[in-house]
Amino acid sequence: AQSVTQPDIHITVSEGASLELRCNYSYGATPYLFWYVQSPGQGLQLLLKYFSGDTLVQGIKGFEAEFKRSQSSFNLRKPSVHWSDAAEYFCAVGADDYKLSFGAGTTVTVRA
Amino acid sequence: NAGVTQTPKFRVLKTGQSMTLLCAQDMNHEYMYWYRQDPGMGLRLIHYSVGEGTTAKGEVPDGYNVSRLKKQNFLLGLESAAPSQTSVYFCASRSTGHPQHFGDGTRLSIL
Repeated sequence: AQSVTQPDIHITVSEGASLELRCNYSYGATPYLFWYVQSPGQGLQLLLKYFSGDTLVQGIKGFEAEFKRSQSSFNLRKPSVHWSDAAEYFCAVGADDYKLSFGAGTTVTVRA
Repeated sequence: NAGVTQTPKFRVLKTGQSMTLLCAQDMNHEYMYWYRQDPGMGLRLIHYSVGEGTTAKGEVPDGYNVSRLKKQNFLLGLESAAPSQTSVYFCASRSTGHPQHFGDGTRLSIL
């Protein structure tokens, strides 16, 4: 069975500081991995995805994520956070994007 | 440029009432999904469809039924609503080889 763990429920970061959100997955084969962002009252928006190839993936809004097979991780990073990055972030894993399992989410608060 | 549209956006029901949530997509996607989102639990898959006329159970299907009579629509039904079904419901669709596109959600409260 596939599953995702996001160890951090809530992270507070200063505007302009770097951000890293952790994601650990459990899956028997090479997974399809995704990061989504959800602003309050909105649906989920895809930030980036990993299917195969280069393990460092670039996404929208200046985000990137690195797939590390040995650590079963797919951590999301942003070098300099903007106030508009305050949102909830979800990591997801799937066999082929057919059916996804989502983590519980990490809420990011940005302080001025 | 509608994408995935969910109707209604908000609804309050009494225990035992029935209702249907509608999801419509205008992208000609083959796959459609219904999720529920609860605090601290992320999104959990209720039912999904891989094409018109087909449906399948997800992780938490009990108490829900679905239908996909037309390719562009995926309906989620609650036959007898229970307070445990208070949640935010999201619909998503996708085509082969592409990520899921999500609607803005339906907030459902059951009293």
